[in-house]
Amino acid sequence: QVQLVESGGGVVQPGRSLRLSCAASGFIFSSYGIHWVRQAPGKGLEWVAVIWYDGTEKYYADSVKGRFTISRDNSKSTLFLQMNSLRAEDTAVYYCARETYNSGWYVDYWGQGTLVTVSS
Amino acid sequence: EIVMTQSPATLSVSPGDTATLSCRASQSVSSNLAWYQQKPGQAPRLLIYGASTRATGVPARFSGSGSGTEFTLTISRLQSEDFAVYYCQQYNNWPLTFGQGTKVEIK
Repeated sequence: QVQLVESGGGVVQPGRSLRLSCAASGFIFSSYGIHWVRQAPGKGLEWVAVIWYDGTEKYYADSVKGRFTISRDNSKSTLFLQMNSLRAEDTAVYYCARETYNSGWYVDYWGQGTLVTVSS
Repeated sequence: EIVMTQSPATLSVSPGDTATLSCRASQSVSSNLAWYQQKPGQAPRLLIYGASTRATGVPARFSGSGSGTEFTLTISRLQSEDFAVYYCQQYNNWPLTFGQGTKVEIK
């Protein structure tokens, strides 16, 4: 079955960097676009970034543009999120999520998330 | 950016009753609308895509309707496992945007 497992979260000081990973299994990773979506404690869902199946296209939310970089290694079925210049407002659970197509591209499977806490 | 507005914020419903959740888009998203269910401490789960198509394994008591800017998620014969937060999300335009969520709680 489809599995997405995030890792790399933790406590980090403002201004520092962190790299998240998402290990995929149960499907042909190189055929699917993958998103990062975050959720601040007690808040709703916020889309962060997406990368095309082949890595050729990437899009970011304005709130992270220029600070976060999404990438993937299809040979290892792994997605990454490099987060630089972290701010307190980046504190959230970060989910990776697979997108699929049926008359439109939508997210169908989510990982369990990894918590990032930005605090001094 | 398309703003998604859900109402109500909280819905108190008795088990066995019907819950009706609303989602409004600030501009047309055609039928590119999904609904997700999220329980405490869990990841969201896809319920509906294309505004009205149930995802694999989703019970028939969940139904979605609407197009353009007005959408509805109806949960019939509410069961204990249905009490959760529900989010709508448009995927018609970048960036993808979510509603703020509707919490369905036990009355």
